[in-house]
Amino acid sequence: KAGVTQTPRYLIKTRGQQVTLSCSPISGHRSVSWYQQTPGQGLQFLFEYFSETQRNKGNFPGRFSGRQFSNSRSEMNVSTLELGDSALYLCASGKDSGLDNEQFFGPGTRLTVL
Amino acid sequence: AQRVTQPEKLLSVFKGAPVELKCNYSYSGSPELFWYVQYSRQRLQLLLRHISRESIKGFTADLNKGETSFHLKKPFAQEEDSAMYYCALKGGGYQKVTFGTGTKLQVIP
Repeated sequence: KAGVTQTPRYLIKTRGQQVTLSCSPISGHRSVSWYQQTPGQGLQFLFEYFSETQRNKGNFPGRFSGRQFSNSRSEMNVSTLELGDSALYLCASGKDSGLDNEQFFGPGTRLTVL
Repeated sequence: AQRVTQPEKLLSVFKGAPVELKCNYSYSGSPELFWYVQYSRQRLQLLLRHISRESIKGFTADLNKGETSFHLKKPFAQEEDSAMYYCALKGGGYQKVTFGTGTKLQVIP
């Protein structure tokens, strides 16, 4: 079956702009999590959505937001971009069945803020 | 709060030498522990999880609740093991998955 897909793969924006990233989970997966990956900080959790509801949230400012649609696809939005937002943004989906908590990762969206 | 600590950013070993990637965690309940791996230009993927008690690509990891550790071990390193390794913890219920900062394993030929 198809893996997690993320669009776009690469994005260049300038400070102050906003950006929307998209993630399509594996069919049947209802949990979608977003992470920011940087060389210095590793993987930092942004938020998790399950059945269109935000279930967990990391310690990021309110400029970072997300949502999930009824088909489990998820979007992440970052407003008023800052240079420090440059990173690889990863999306992961999972069954979250209680017995199987493996996360399946997408290829990521590389965001560069100039 | 749950926390995962990987003390080494970089671990260099010679081919054929034993490997141990350290992972310590902080969690008050009974966590589920994972090791994820990211090879060059590939996606982050699950390597193994403690509940499976399996050996994948020669790697094993034992959950030590007394020491709150979940170290990843392999008796003989191979060049193809060179990658970024992340330890991860999931608390009970609907809690999020917390990742460590990762350890880059470099196997020297």
